[in-house]
Amino acid sequence: AQKITQTQPGMFVQEKEAVTLDCTYDTSDQSYGLFWYKQPSSGEMIFLIYQGSYDEQNATEGRYSLNFQKARKSANLVISASQLGDSAMYFCAMRGNTGGFKTIFGAGTRLFVKA
Amino acid sequence: NAGVTQTPKFRVLKTGQSMTLLCAQDMNHEYMYWYRQDPGMGLRLIHYSVGEGTTAKGEVPDGYNVSRLKKQNFLLGLESAAPSQTSVYFCASSYSRTLNYGYTFGSGTRLTVV
Repeated sequence: AQKITQTQPGMFVQEKEAVTLDCTYDTSDQSYGLFWYKQPSSGEMIFLIYQGSYDEQNATEGRYSLNFQKARKSANLVISASQLGDSAMYFCAMRGNTGGFKTIFGAGTRLFVKA
Repeated sequence: NAGVTQTPKFRVLKTGQSMTLLCAQDMNHEYMYWYRQDPGMGLRLIHYSVGEGTTAKGEVPDGYNVSRLKKQNFLLGLESAAPSQTSVYFCASSYSRTLNYGYTFGSGTRLTVV
């Protein structure tokens, strides 16, 4: 069975500092994708970054990077130079290549950025 | 560029009442999904569809039914609402079966069952 685990219910970071949000996963699929979504207080879900299981380099999107360690089955999100607008809930997610290509989500980490 | 539109945005139901949540997308996406979001549990898949006329059960399908009569619409029905179905419901769609395609989400429906 596929599973996503986010062990940090809440995190605090000082503005302008970097922060790492942890994510571990479990799957029997040979090929899969890992995603991070952001949910601000307004409630919408915003796609941030993607990492493929066969990608050799870590994905980056602006201030977001994904620290992918396949052997450890981890896909941590790193946010550099945190901004007040980064305060939100962050979800790690995984999409496999079986069963309708559906995505499963972790429980989320709420990030608080302090001024 | 509407994307994914969910209606209604808010609803209060009495236990035992029925309702239908509508999800409409204008991006010609094949894949559509219904999730529910509860505190501390992330998003859990209720039902999904891989194309017009198809539906399949997700992780938490009990108490819900779905239909995909038209490619652009995915309906979620509650036949007899229960307080346990109080949640925020998200519809999502995806164009491709390739793994690097993220979802486009609707803005959510906040449902309260009293």
